[in-house]
Amino acid sequence: ELKVEQNPLFLSMQEGKNYTIYCNYSTTSDRLYWYRQDPGKSLESLFVLLSNGAVKQEGRLMASLDTKARLSTLHITAAVHDLSATYFCAVDHNQGGKLIFGQGTELSVKP
Amino acid sequence: GAVVSQHPSRVICKSGTSVKIECRSLDFQATTMFWYRQFPKQSLMLMATSNEGSKATYEQGVEKDKFLINHASLTLSTLTVTSAHPEDSSFYICSAKRDYEQYFGPGTRLTVT
Repeated sequence: ELKVEQNPLFLSMQEGKNYTIYCNYSTTSDRLYWYRQDPGKSLESLFVLLSNGAVKQEGRLMASLDTKARLSTLHITAAVHDLSATYFCAVDHNQGGKLIFGQGTELSVKP
Repeated sequence: GAVVSQHPSRVICKSGTSVKIECRSLDFQATTMFWYRQFPKQSLMLMATSNEGSKATYEQGVEKDKFLINHASLTLSTLTVTSAHPEDSSFYICSAKRDYEQYFGPGTRLTVT
């Protein structure tokens, strides 16, 4: 059974600081997704990582994938308040489209 | 970009009644759609895989007779919650698959009183 674990689950940051969210998964997969969810809203796609060593960046967020270690990271650079949200990683089970989600990381960026 | 809609966005119903939620892919055809449920402060849990023209595949622990899924066309999947109870109150989100991408609908918040 595929399990996806994120840490930390809660993250309170000061504006301007850097931090990393980790996503570990239990079985082989080379499709990993990062999403953002604002309160009361659905998911917003951030990154799709499709191969070992993939690195993608958008603004203050950068995601990477190490399929051998079964680990993905979401790095936040110089956080701003607008980044406050819950971030989910998800792994595509058997590349058939079934996504197994991590628990989510609730990020709060304070002035 | 691909767009997925859901209707209704919010519904309140009485215990024992049935509720139908629609998921549409607006600008692409989706042979496979997925239904997720999310309780407050929790992650998304996959309920079932909806395949056009065939029966849905349900995840372990999801009652197929309670959560009826119909994928009648390449752009529409419906989820019917039958005989709803307060414990079915949740945020239901669908997604449609195109290549390796997943496109999520805006969600339907169901409250059963």
